[in-house]
Amino acid sequence: EAQVTQNPRYLITVTGKKLTVTCSQNMNHEYMSWYRQDPGLGLRQIYYSMNVEVTDKGDVPEGYKVSRKEKRNFPLILESPSPNQTSLYFCASGRGGAGANVLTFGAGSRLTVL
Amino acid sequence: QKEVEQDPGPLSVPEGAIVSLNCTYSNSAFQYFMWYRQYSRKGPELLMYTYSSGNKEDGRFTAQVDKSSKYISLFIRDSQPSDSATYLCAMRVMNYGGSQGNLIFGKGTKLSVKP
Repeated sequence: EAQVTQNPRYLITVTGKKLTVTCSQNMNHEYMSWYRQDPGLGLRQIYYSMNVEVTDKGDVPEGYKVSRKEKRNFPLILESPSPNQTSLYFCASGRGGAGANVLTFGAGSRLTVL
Repeated sequence: QKEVEQDPGPLSVPEGAIVSLNCTYSNSAFQYFMWYRQYSRKGPELLMYTYSSGNKEDGRFTAQVDKSSKYISLFIRDSQPSDSATYLCAMRVMNYGGSQGNLIFGKGTKLSVKP
């Protein structure tokens, strides 16, 4: 089944404790992206990657890091999480070029930072 | 002015009604227009995709783009309780900074179709 898999789905952590949210896709997509979704603010893009070793900032990159060493994986790293990073996170992937408009989303990762 | 404006609702309609969902935008460089549907506790899924102006129909769903007015719409005919979800519009420019640019989402409209 074609899918985007995120882990963990739910996480409660404390301020300053580094964490990584993994994202993997099995569709051989070039494009991958991370979003956060907050009430009243909608979906906002954190980082995206057009291909392996190519990443770029989205609208809200502060406090996050990403890497794209393999085509299928695009982990999101929070080096020192803070409470304002409590949110619902989505990873998405798509084909390159205009295909990046047709995104397949993961099921989401709900993160709480205390 | 935000790039993409979308009324968050909630919008409640009876089963069988025609639903109209809308977004306005300010960036005339947007070329690609999408509608995503998000069920509760799920990730968004692509519903409709149009390039530039015009209409596109898929079953009970029709997407319209009016670039002169910077306005896009999604119409749902014969709405069903299974259509109850949040609908997000999304847009992208072409050749922004040499790349495809960011996909910009509206905040979403929550729709409830009552049996």
